[in-house]
Amino acid sequence: GDSVTQKQGQVTLSEDDFLFINCTYSTTTYPTLLWYVQYPGQGPQLLLKVTTANNKGISRGFEATYDKGTTSFHLQKASVQESDSAVYFCALVYNNNAPRFGAGTKLTVKP
Amino acid sequence: DPKIIQKPKYLVAVTGSEKILICEQYLGHNAMYWYRQSAKKPLEFMFSYSYQKLMDNQTASSRFQPQSSKKNHLDLQITALKPDDSATYFCASSQWGLSQDTQYFGPGTRLLVL
Repeated sequence: GDSVTQKQGQVTLSEDDFLFINCTYSTTTYPTLLWYVQYPGQGPQLLLKVTTANNKGISRGFEATYDKGTTSFHLQKASVQESDSAVYFCALVYNNNAPRFGAGTKLTVKP
Repeated sequence: DPKIIQKPKYLVAVTGSEKILICEQYLGHNAMYWYRQSAKKPLEFMFSYSYQKLMDNQTASSRFQPQSSKKNHLDLQITALKPDDSATYFCASSQWGLSQDTQYFGPGTRLLVL
């Protein structure tokens, strides 16, 4: 079945470090891929989404490329800030089916 | 002003009891959802409703019953509560209920079953 894998449970960085959060997916379809961010005490909110393979999504300095060849949708940011500390979820949706979420990656950015 | 309201914010219940989690959205959306988040399953889809009709149910147990009295309301009734039901329950909504729609999440109700 369809699934999303995030192997990094936690990432700890210092301000201005480069961020890379790994996400791979498995599906037999052509899904929409998404990244959600969840700040403490809040619900998840959409960070970016990409509907077409080989396209890149960009939002608030974050970017992710829908790579159909490697079935990956890694999240990157050139320079993180303390305010980026949150949990990041990779997800896929297709054909109005229920979305599939990864396990989440908790990012901690130290000042 | 919050666009998706969930009540209560925190809820403590005893095993075997019944509780109702409230969700109201003021985004003018036609589709609403329930999700569950716990340490075991970080974010798990439960139900989706579109125009007050059930579209998808990924919850195995009939103890979980969504209730939609109005288009912008989707409450969640949980009966015969178990400690394993302890989790944060998120309500969400989207414009049409399509996979391309952006879903907006509420702040959640944190349920603890003793």
